[in-house]
Amino acid sequence: SQQGEEDPQALSIQEGENATMNCSYKTSINNLQWYRQNSGRGLVHLILIRSNEREKHSGRLRVTLDTSKKSSSLLITASRAADTASYFCATDDYIQGAQKLVFGQGTRLTINP
Amino acid sequence: GAGVSQTPSNKVTEKGKYVELRCDPISGHTALYWYRQSLGQGPEFLIYFQGTGAADDSGLPNDRFFAVRPEGSVSTLKIQRTERGDSAVYLCASSLNRGRTDTQYFGPGTRLTVL
Repeated sequence: SQQGEEDPQALSIQEGENATMNCSYKTSINNLQWYRQNSGRGLVHLILIRSNEREKHSGRLRVTLDTSKKSSSLLITASRAADTASYFCATDDYIQGAQKLVFGQGTRLTINP
Repeated sequence: GAGVSQTPSNKVTEKGKYVELRCDPISGHTALYWYRQSLGQGPEFLIYFQGTGAADDSGLPNDRFFAVRPEGSVSTLKIQRTERGDSAVYLCASSLNRGRTDTQYFGPGTRLTVL
């Protein structure tokens, strides 16, 4: 079963615009991670935010976390065609020393040139 | 350095056949994970290895699925009597397993199609 939901399921914007994706989850977490996936294959790790952090930046990426609302957002600024991909949030289920990731269904982002 | 590799990249088989999917983790990574991703969905956890042992296999859907990691490096996911519902992309990930903020690095996946 999947932990959370991304919103929207699909997003199409013009190159240069900002893209915002949201993620909601259900249980308490240690951290939340965002991944990018191109063409339905391997996932690329983008950023990890800990449960005691509220905001984190990495290049053109900005992630926020609101543990009281059990939600996170990923902002991509000045989007490029190469940003076209599916984006997933993943929360951890840390049991038996294993950081088992629980993914949402993803947001499919399309950047139009 | 080399990332996680998976072979084959694509596998087409017939219902009822046996398949093996291979994962080569990043050198030195002690933790290895298998996930399964169906079309339009996010990956779902299958099994986790710490070294040679399966520390958590709670995600394996049934006893037709089995995975091994005999020398603590390469892992093989084995599926017996395949069914059409097993069709999915099977993803492998590895990590250093340094604790609660560990990053998992994913391979390109194996796309399994059961006819």
